[in-house]
Amino acid sequence: GENVEQHPSTLSVQEGDSAVIKCTYSDSASNYFPWYKQELGKGPQLIIDIRSNVGEKKDQRIAVTLNKTAKHFSLHITETQPEDSAVYFCAAPRSNDYKLSFGAGTTVTVRA
Amino acid sequence: DVKVTQSSRYLVKRTGEKVFLECVQDMDHENMFWYRQDPGLGLRLIYFSYDVKMKEKGDIPEGYSVSREKKERFSLILESASTNQTSMYLCASSLGQGADIQYFGAGTRLSVL
Repeated sequence: GENVEQHPSTLSVQEGDSAVIKCTYSDSASNYFPWYKQELGKGPQLIIDIRSNVGEKKDQRIAVTLNKTAKHFSLHITETQPEDSAVYFCAAPRSNDYKLSFGAGTTVTVRA
Repeated sequence: DVKVTQSSRYLVKRTGEKVFLECVQDMDHENMFWYRQDPGLGLRLIYFSYDVKMKEKGDIPEGYSVSREKKERFSLILESASTNQTSMYLCASSLGQGADIQYFGAGTRLSVL
């Protein structure tokens, strides 16, 4: 099955700076890479996803990049704000199936 | 908006009790999932259902069972709760044939004493 590794496990940034979280996956057939944000007391919510036919996708201050050769994908948050403080999870699909394998999560803290 | 509702936010149970965690989705999704969330371990899949009365074991099914009698409802059952089942439990649903967006409930934090 798919093995997803996520780094770092914690990230502290000054408000206004950028944050980058990186994930690697093992299955070269994986074709869908979502990122979820989990705020305190809530369930994870999809914030951005990318499919394997593109290398980058942006949505306002967040972007995801995909390197299929190296089998890694990254989440970039620019101009961080206090409301970006949360736990972020990356995920990748298991081969030929509906299920996702999730990374261990990154706790992001934005310092005012 | 898709809504996934978990019946309890917090539960406290005794060792050996039978525990039911309920999840309901309102978007006619085919797929439903139960995950367990523990610090440093991410989300681990317990069970998955792709249709009414259909289920598949995930990565950590031991000590759990599930029931899906209606499309919108997916129940997780702890047959005999143990202290190592103290955790956050998350339910999710998705529509697609294949990997697709999963919509999560707010979670149930279960403590087994």
